[in-house]
Amino acid sequence: DGGITQSPKYLFRKEGQNVTLSCEQNLNHDAMYWYRQDPGQGLRLIYYSQIVNDFQKGDIAEGYSVSREKKESFPLTVTSAQKNPTAFYLCASTQGYGTDTQYFGPGTRLTVL
Amino acid sequence: GNSVTQMEGPVTLSEEAFLTINCTYTATGYPSLFWYVQYPGEGLQLLLKATKADDKGSNKGFEATYRKETTSFHLEKGSVQVSDSAVYFCALTETGANSKLTFGKGITLSVRP
Repeated sequence: DGGITQSPKYLFRKEGQNVTLSCEQNLNHDAMYWYRQDPGQGLRLIYYSQIVNDFQKGDIAEGYSVSREKKESFPLTVTSAQKNPTAFYLCASTQGYGTDTQYFGPGTRLTVL
Repeated sequence: GNSVTQMEGPVTLSEEAFLTINCTYTATGYPSLFWYVQYPGEGLQLLLKATKADDKGSNKGFEATYRKETTSFHLEKGSVQVSDSAVYFCALTETGANSKLTFGKGITLSVRP
C-alpha cells in the first residue's frame, strides 16, 4: 500500500542534542512538508520541498534543518538551537503544486528531557 | 495573509445528535477549502474538500459547503457516532501557493454513547 511513514513514533532526547526525524513516502509525490503541532495551536509549517534538492522555509523554520536528496525522503533535524522542541511532528506530501490534497504520515512525538 | 478561524472547543455531544463546527476564512485569492480529521495519536486524514464557491464536499455523512459570500466552510453531520470522536481541522490553500496549507486551531469533538 502507498503511504507516508514516519519513524519512530515516540522519540526522547536530552536537551542540547540534535535529533533527526524520518519521513518516507512511496506515493511518487513531488512535494513534501513538515509541520509542528502543539496543543491548541493547530499545525504550523516548518519547511517544505517542491522537488528534489530544493526546499524553502515555512513559518517557524528557526532551529530546524532539512534535506531532500531523494524524492521519497525528507528528513527533519531538530537542532539544539530550537528553544522548545517538545511537540508532535507531522510530515505530509502532495502530488504537485496548486490545490492538491496533502497526505499525512502518522507523526512523531518528540520529547526533550 | 491567509487565516482560518474555527469555533472554540471542545464540543461534547450525545450519539445521534446533530453536529455543526463553524469555520471562517480570510484569503486574498480563490482558495480551496478542506476539513481534516485527526484520531487520537494519529496523523491527519482528509475528510472532505471543496475547490470553488458553492461546491459541497461530503464524506462519511459529513458535509460542508463553500460559501464565498460569508467566507465560511462549516462542517455538519446529521447524526454523530462515538467513532466520530476526534480533532477536526479546517484549512485552506490558494491556487499557485505550492499547496501550502493554512490551518485553523482545530476543535476536539467527543461523542458520548
